[in-house]
Amino acid sequence: DGGITQSPKYLFRKEGQNVTLSCEQNLNHDAMYWYRQDPGQGLRLIYYSQIVNDFQKGDIAEGYSVSREKKESFPLTVTSAQKNPTAFYLCASSFTRGEQFFGPGTRLTVL
Amino acid sequence: AQSVTQPDIHITVSEGASLELRCNYSYGATPYLFWYVQSPGQGLQLLLKYFSGDTLVQGIKGFEAEFKRSQSSFNLRKPSVHWSDAAEYFCAVVTTGNQFYFGTGTSLTVIP
Repeated sequence: DGGITQSPKYLFRKEGQNVTLSCEQNLNHDAMYWYRQDPGQGLRLIYYSQIVNDFQKGDIAEGYSVSREKKESFPLTVTSAQKNPTAFYLCASSFTRGEQFFGPGTRLTVL
Repeated sequence: AQSVTQPDIHITVSEGASLELRCNYSYGATPYLFWYVQSPGQGLQLLLKYFSGDTLVQGIKGFEAEFKRSQSSFNLRKPSVHWSDAAEYFCAVVTTGNQFYFGTGTSLTVIP
């Protein structure tokens, strides 16, 4: 079955640690996205990539980094520079101007 | 600038009642529009989409939406709400440059 997966489902980070969230899709989509969602909030765009080896900052990129070495994969690293990383992280992918397909999300908690 | 507005932060309806969730967009060109639903702790699921053609579009779970260009609106409707429809609903638009804009969401509570 085609789809988009995220792992892990739950992630705990200690202060000062970098952590990486995985996002994989087998839908052959060109574009991939990372969003952050806080309780009772909408979606805020962190980074997006329209093509392999290229990505752009979204509205809240500070403290985050990404890579896009393969079409299927778009991992997000939450660095120690992100002072308030506790949130729900959603990955999505799409064809150009098509609907976005979302993964099930990763809940990150800072201990 | 492009934007999507969902005026209602929270709506409460009785089970079996009709539902309308409002969405207004700001975009100069022909919009591609979407409605998504999100249950707590899960990702977003596409309910329906509008690209062109018939302005009344049917989606999954008995939902429909009507595109009104003159009002820059894309309201979501359901004739009879079920308790399982309780969730967060997001409206979105995508531009010709493949930029997505989401509304802030409407939280739906269904009273038995």
